Amino acid sequence: GQQVMQIPQYQHVQEGEDFTTYCNSSTTLSNIQWYKQRPGGHPVFLIQLVKSGEVKKQKRLTFQFGEAKKNSSLHITATQTTDVGTYFCAGSGVFSGGSNYKLTFGKGTLLTVNP
Amino acid sequence: DADVTQTPRNRITKTGKRIMLECSQTKGHDRMYWYRQDPGLGLRLIYYSFDVKDINKGEISDGYSVSRQAQAKFSLSLESAIPNQTALYFCATRLAGGNEQFFGPGTRLTVL
Repeated sequence: GQQVMQIPQYQHVQEGEDFTTYCNSSTTLSNIQWYKQRPGGHPVFLIQLVKSGEVKKQKRLTFQFGEAKKNSSLHITATQTTDVGTYFCAGSGVFSGGSNYKLTFGKGTLLTVNP
Repeated sequence: DADVTQTPRNRITKTGKRIMLECSQTKGHDRMYWYRQDPGLGLRLIYYSFDVKDINKGEISDGYSVSRQAQAKFSLSLESAIPNQTALYFCATRLAGGNEQFFGPGTRLTVL
């Protein structure tokens, strides 16, 4: 079945440093989503990428979808303490596209920020 | 995301007991999902439902069953709970044709 691998599992940074988490799928994806889960909270949707090579930005967050639609990354510039949490990628397979798709989540990257 | 509610929020039970986790939503979404979260393992799909008459197994459905009583309600049952079912359980909803899944606050289940 479809597998989505995410690295690193943990990342500790000093406030102001950059952070990147990477996501790789064993199969070509129809689209990929990113979620953030604050400590003690629930996952919250950040963004969806659909097109090959797509790059989207949300303030200090930059999301990329690979040309082959099998990998993705999330980059945070100049981290802040409010960025603390676990970041998950979640992919939808090519053959489960359309309105009935389901997501396969990566294991997440836990980001901690030292003020 | 208060539109997706889960009850109970915390539950401690004993091995062998039957337990039901409930999820309700006021979003009017037809797609509903149950996930399990374990430390270091991310979110794993247990069951999903695209409407009241369409229920599908996810990647880890063994030991679980579900019921979609209405469009707004999706319940997860553990017929005979075992300790390795101790986890954080999330319900999520999605509008058909939409992108994001909306998660409930979670139920922390401990099986002793």
